[in-house]
Parts: sequence; structure tokens; C-alpha cells
Amino acid sequence: AQKVTQAQTEISVVEKEDVTLDCVYETRDTTYYLFWYKQPPSGELVFLIRRNSFDEQNEISGRYSWNFQKSTSSFNFTITASQVVDSAVYFCALVDSNYQLIWGAGTKLIIKP
Amino acid sequence: KAGVTQTPRYLIKTRGQQVTLSCSPISGHRSVSWYQQTPGQGLQFLFEYFSETQRNKGNFPGRFSGRQFSNSRSEMNVSTLELGDSALYLCASSPGPGGTGELFFGEGSRLTVL
Repeated sequence: AQKVTQAQTEISVVEKEDVTLDCVYETRDTTYYLFWYKQPPSGELVFLIRRNSFDEQNEISGRYSWNFQKSTSSFNFTITASQVVDSAVYFCALVDSNYQLIWGAGTKLIIKP
Repeated sequence: KAGVTQTPRYLIKTRGQQVTLSCSPISGHRSVSWYQQTPGQGLQFLFEYFSETQRNKGNFPGRFSGRQFSNSRSEMNVSTLELGDSALYLCASSPGPGGTGELFFGEGSRLTVL
């Protein structure tokens, strides 16, 4: 069965600390896509990144970086030098062979000033 | 470019009633998908419409239905409301079909069933 696990329910750090959000997925498909979305208090989900199963190259976008490792079925997200504006709920998701998004439970990130 | 617009933003209904939620996608986007978000079940896929056709459906009872109009606007309907239907209903649009690309979400319609 397709599944996405975000074991960290809530993480609280002080501003400027680095923080890593974990995502572990399960799929039998050889072709799949992984996503990270951010949900601020306003409610709308904001796309952060997409990765397909054939591209294991890590990605960096400003303070954000992603580590995709097929060997451990993980797609972890790191925020460097966190800021208060990074406070949100972050979701990892997997697109299965039926093209349905399977969502993780989300990790609530609290950045304290 | 206007984003995805969902109406109403908040509504309160009682058990047994029905509700219709509306979603206007980003101009030019032809795919609209709906998601239910609850504290207990998290985010769950409801259905996706592309060019007025339901392309995909999640594991929800028949009380949940939707449609898409020729201008790509979409509505979802929940009949015979139950307490467990209380949730944030999110709509997302994308230029093309499928779930492999970036989705653009609205702020959601928060439904409370009393």
C-alpha cells in the first residue's frame, strides 16, 4: 500500500536554528512523484518542491534543501537558519499510480523568536 | 493573476442538511481537485475533474459528489451531512490533468456540522 509517514508531529526551535523535517514513504511503483507543501495559518497549501523517482539529486533553494534517498525511501526537508515566517504545517506527499496524492500527517513547525 | 477562489469560506450546517461548495480555479487551469482535511484523518483526496469529466475519485461515500463547468469552475456537494463531515475542504487547480505537477490551492471552505 502507498503510504507517507511524517513521524514528527510538532517541532519547536529557536529562530536561526537549522531544522530537518522527516518524510518516509512506501510504494510499489517504480515511477512516482514526491512533494512538499507548506500550510500557513491562512489555510492554503503552498507548493515547495516536486521530485520524481528517477531524480535523486538533492536540491537547494535558498534556505531550503531536500535530501531524497531511494535506498531508505526518505525525502527529508531541511530549513537552514530558520525564521519565524517559516512557522507552518509542512506536508510531504506521494503521487501513486492512480495519480492520487497520498499525504503525510504533516509536521507542525514552530519557530520561536 | 488571481489565485484559486473558494466560497464560502466558512459555513455552519446541521446534520441531515446538504451543502454546496464552489471553487474557481486559476484562469487557464482546466483541472480541479478537492481534498478534505480533518484533525483525525488529515488530508484526503476527494476527486479530480478535468475538462468537465471526473478523472479520479477517492474513497468517500456517494454523499460526496462534484461537478465541473465549461469555464472550469467546480462545485462539490455533500448531502445528508454527518458530524464527521466537519472539515476544511480544499480545492486545488492545475493546468493539466493528473497529480504529478504542482497544485495551486485555495484557502479552503471550513464546514462545521452541528
